[in-house]
Amino acid sequence: QLQLQESGPGLVKPSETLSLTCTVSGGSISSSSYYWGWIRQPPGKGLEWIGSIYYSGSTYYNPSLKSRVTISVDTSKNQFSLKLSSVTAADTAVYYCARQGRYCSGGSCYSLAFDPWGQGTLVTVSS
Amino acid sequence: QSALTQPPSASGSPGQSVTISCTGTSSDVGGYNYVSWYQQHPGKAPKLMIYEVSKRPSGVPDRFSGSKSGNTASLTVSGLQAEDEADYYCSSYAGSKVVFGGGTKLTVL
Repeated sequence: QLQLQESGPGLVKPSETLSLTCTVSGGSISSSSYYWGWIRQPPGKGLEWIGSIYYSGSTYYNPSLKSRVTISVDTSKNQFSLKLSSVTAADTAVYYCARQGRYCSGGSCYSLAFDPWGQGTLVTVSS
Repeated sequence: QSALTQPPSASGSPGQSVTISCTGTSSDVGGYNYVSWYQQHPGKAPKLMIYEVSKRPSGVPDRFSGSKSGNTASLTVSGLQAEDEADYYCSSYAGSKVVFGGGTKLTVL
């Protein structure tokens, strides 16, 4: 079955760029039926959607993070990646990647539920 | 502050039913039938329990059901079991973005 695995540094210094990669196995990232998303969860807090990408490279981001976020895709490696710049302690969180359903009708496309999720990776921002 | 409003906590005894609400606006919950619910046990990744308001993925017990009225979606867990104790999050498509609720901690008494 489809599995996702996050990877990247667990510690990032303030003002630097957080970089994570999600490797997809058991299925192709190049499917017209899905987006691929990043979600984070600060310790003891709720979930926050960061952004999502389609295999063609089109992206959409959380407006509150848009100025600092870049999500990219590498279909040859079946991976997608997250970069978050100018990080602060407030960016300390467990970062999840997930497959997200995609439905298109009447010229519009809609993003659906996240399933499955990766196990998550804790990124701490500290000097 | 989360875009969708959920009660911080809910509880029920084994065998009882409990309903968790998720209130948004006409720009998210009320505007689309793309509400989903996730269950999260401590230290684990969220698990999809309900999608498109009321659909259950394969493998999710039929004790879990979803509904929507206006700008408020609801998750009902019937016949509560000890393993249902977890955090539950709602989420909605909101026109080129996704929003989550703040989460509800469900306690099985």
